[in-house]
Amino acid sequence: AQTVTQSQPEMSVQEAETVTLSCTYDTSESDYYLFWYKQPPSRQMILVIRQEAYKQQNATENRFSVNFQKAAKSFSLKISDSQLGDAAMYFCAYRSEGGGADGLTFGKGTHLIIQP
Amino acid sequence: GEEVAQTPKHLVRGEGQKAKLYCAPIKGHSYVFWYQQVLKNEFKFLISFQNENVFDETGMPKERFSAKCLPNSPCSLEIQATKLEDSAVYFCASSQVPSGPYNEQFFGPGTRLTVL
Repeated sequence: AQTVTQSQPEMSVQEAETVTLSCTYDTSESDYYLFWYKQPPSRQMILVIRQEAYKQQNATENRFSVNFQKAAKSFSLKISDSQLGDAAMYFCAYRSEGGGADGLTFGKGTHLIIQP
Repeated sequence: GEEVAQTPKHLVRGEGQKAKLYCAPIKGHSYVFWYQQVLKNEFKFLISFQNENVFDETGMPKERFSAKCLPNSPCSLEIQATKLEDSAVYFCASSQVPSGPYNEQFFGPGTRLTVL
């Protein structure tokens, strides 16, 4: 079974600064997907960014980028120019490549605080 | 609809009572997923469906939990004889048949179940 580990229960960053959230995972599969989800206090799950394991290029979505190290099984999220609206829980998630109905395996989350 | 709908928003049950949660996936989506998020924020995958067929139920506590997705009806998750530890937010997600290598899961707003 796959596991996802987020070792930072909480992170704090000054507004406009850059912060990196870490995530490691364990799997014996070679093909899979990795995701970062944002969950604000409203509890709505919002997909921030995804990475296909077969792609070497790191995914980027505006201020959000990942550092995907497949051999190290590491998948960190970098948020540049942090904004107050970025404050939320962030979850790293893993999904097998096998089929469309595979469930996500989540890490325990990192609470991101943005200091004004 | 264009969003995953979940009802009710909140559900309160006494220990030992039955709880039934509903999910209407996005129109045209063939896959449905149920996740449980306990108060420590940890997510647990429960079950997934491909149309009305169970695809993966490895996360379901089968002695008390059951789920269905019948044609032309909302999907449902039922908990018989609720326990205190069932208190959580239950999320439903749906996705369409992948036209490429990836299909995104869209999450509903969740149902908060409180067992007293």
